[in-house]
Amino acid sequence: GQNIDQPTEMTATEGAIVQINCTYQTSGFNGLFWYQQHAGEAPTFLSYNVLDGLEEKGRFSSFLSRSKGYSYLLLKELQMKDSASYLCAVRPRADRGSTLGRLYFGRGTQLTVWP
Amino acid sequence: DTAVSQTPKYLVTQMGNDKSIKCEQNLGHDTMYWYKQDSKKFLKIMFSYNNKELIINETVPNRFSPKSPDKAHLNLHINSLELGDSAVYFCASSHSYRSNQPQHFGDGTRLSIL
Repeated sequence: GQNIDQPTEMTATEGAIVQINCTYQTSGFNGLFWYQQHAGEAPTFLSYNVLDGLEEKGRFSSFLSRSKGYSYLLLKELQMKDSASYLCAVRPRADRGSTLGRLYFGRGTQLTVWP
Repeated sequence: DTAVSQTPKYLVTQMGNDKSIKCEQNLGHDTMYWYKQDSKKFLKIMFSYNNKELIINETVPNRFSPKSPDKAHLNLHINSLELGDSAVYFCASSHSYRSNQPQHFGDGTRLSIL
């Protein structure tokens, strides 16, 4: 089966840096996505990692270690608008059969940014 | 223009009724998806179609039946609605199920069963 684990909740203050961790165990690996979801809205794509290392995109960075089954999303210079749920999603190896085309989501980390 | 649009946004109905949710994407994507997000915010795949062909059919009750008249549309019909069907249903699309391009989500349909 697929197992994706991330903390349920985190809090931080405006201007700070926060790291949201995600660990996964899946049948093969073909990429990891991070999505942001504000309350009552659609998930929106933030970042994608398929090779080990850090991908930086403005205030947001995402890191991947395939050997450890581990990723993190780093948010810098936090703003109030960053309060949202952050979803880690893993794409298993795209073999024929049951995993083809699937994304498996973690339960999301609810981040609250305080002034 | 909205990339992935689904209707209705809110759906309140009684147990036992039959209802449909519609989804359309104007991104030119080949693959479309239906997800269910429960009260604990867990997002789980239900179905996926690639160019009108069913490619993912997760363990979902037979009361749920997807239909894709063309690659830009994916509808979801639910028969004999039950209390446990209350959730937010998200439609999504991606370039192709074979590529690692991200999925783009619609705004969701909030289904409440009375």
